[in-house]
Amino acid sequence: SQQGEEDPQALSIQEGENATMNCSYKTSINNLQWYRQNSGRGLVHLILIRSNEREKHSGRLRVTLDTSKKSSSLLITASRAADTASYFCATAYSGYSTLTFGKGTMLLVSP
Amino acid sequence: SQTIHQWPATLVQPVGSPLSLECTVEGTSNPNLYWYRQAAGRGLQLLFYSVGIGQISSEVPQNLSASRPQDRQFILSSKKLLLSDSGFYLCAWTRTEGYNSPLHFGNGTRLTVT
Repeated sequence: SQQGEEDPQALSIQEGENATMNCSYKTSINNLQWYRQNSGRGLVHLILIRSNEREKHSGRLRVTLDTSKKSSSLLITASRAADTASYFCATAYSGYSTLTFGKGTMLLVSP
Repeated sequence: SQTIHQWPATLVQPVGSPLSLECTVEGTSNPNLYWYRQAAGRGLQLLFYSVGIGQISSEVPQNLSASRPQDRQFILSSKKLLLSDSGFYLCAWTRTEGYNSPLHFGNGTRLTVT
């Protein structure tokens, strides 16, 4: 399967702490994207990072990409209870015309 | 701005009954359209995608079908539902660049087949 894998499957932290989620994939990619899903809702796009980029920032989010290790990480700094959600990575594999999603990391931020 | 509408939000259907889920996009033209299914605790499985009217690509062989009768309308159908069709169905769109642009999702339909 070409599916990427997020790690950990679940993460529980306190408000104010940083949350780090990782994604590993198998073959060369055009880009990698991170999405957030609140319970029972659709996914919301967070960040797209291209294969020739190493790091991108958006507000409290920082995404890194290491193509030599075929991995990416999503860092959420100064977490808030409202950050509680599932986070998915999705990879655009070279030669494929659609995205492949991982199973996600469930993040719980406690007040 | 662009918006995506998906309905109904929840649906309970008996085994063997037909299905029709509808999705429409506003504020853009010639979008790529997608149907995904999400099983509990699982990632998203791509079912169908379309790059234009009448053009449907199927990713997973099953008793579901999709149609795109208008540029911004995408319909997921089944003639006879199976128990295994239960799940969370998500419609999404991207700009014509496809995977090089973000996916924008609807709020999903929770389908329970009884």
